[in-house]
Amino acid sequence: QLQLQESGPGLVKSSETLSLTCTVSGDSMSSSTYYWGWIRQPPGKGLEWIGSIYSTGSTHYSPSLKSRVTISVDTSNNKFSLKLTSVSAADTAVYYCVAVDWFFDPWGQGTLVTVSS
Amino acid sequence: QSALTQPASVSGSPGQSITISCTGTSSDVGRYNYVSWYQQYPGNAPKLMIYDVTKRPSGVSNRFSGSKSGNTASLTISGLQAEDEADYYCCSYAASRTVFGGGTRLTVL
Repeated sequence: QLQLQESGPGLVKSSETLSLTCTVSGDSMSSSTYYWGWIRQPPGKGLEWIGSIYSTGSTHYSPSLKSRVTISVDTSNNKFSLKLTSVSAADTAVYYCVAVDWFFDPWGQGTLVTVSS
Repeated sequence: QSALTQPASVSGSPGQSITISCTGTSSDVGRYNYVSWYQQYPGNAPKLMIYDVTKRPSGVSNRFSGSKSGNTASLTISGLQAEDEADYYCCSYAASRTVFGGGTRLTVL
């Protein structure tokens, strides 16, 4: 059964870089047909797609975040990562990692990242 | 402002049917049959309920159904139950990106 788990700091200072990792279990990323992605949800608000990556390294990013986002993959360790630079309070959210087909399933449990000033 | 438009809230009584609409454009919902719907309880991760407009994942009740007409997709829940009270989000592929609706809070009266 495919499972995903986010990890990383829960508190990031304004203007710094947010870094999260997603560990995948139950499938080999290098041989999987899935893309792998990140979605976030600010407190009390809706879902926002951040971007996706394939095992080859091919990426797609949200146009609104593209200038600040990097998603990378480490197939040897079955992980993929998110980096978001120059964060502000608007980036405070629960960040989810997801397996991507033409839909998102399954989801990690999510991790709250708070940007402090 | 979300790319896809959903009603902020809908409500219904147990046993009734409700429909949540999701309006996009000819560049997303209208162009691709890759609309999905997610159910989210407070404090939990979203759960896939419908994919590819009409398909139900294994384990999802057949009370949940999806459809699409033009630029508008819809989620229908029949035989409403108390456990259906949650937030629902639609989502569409849109040429190398993905867009979400703003979410609909379903209240079971």
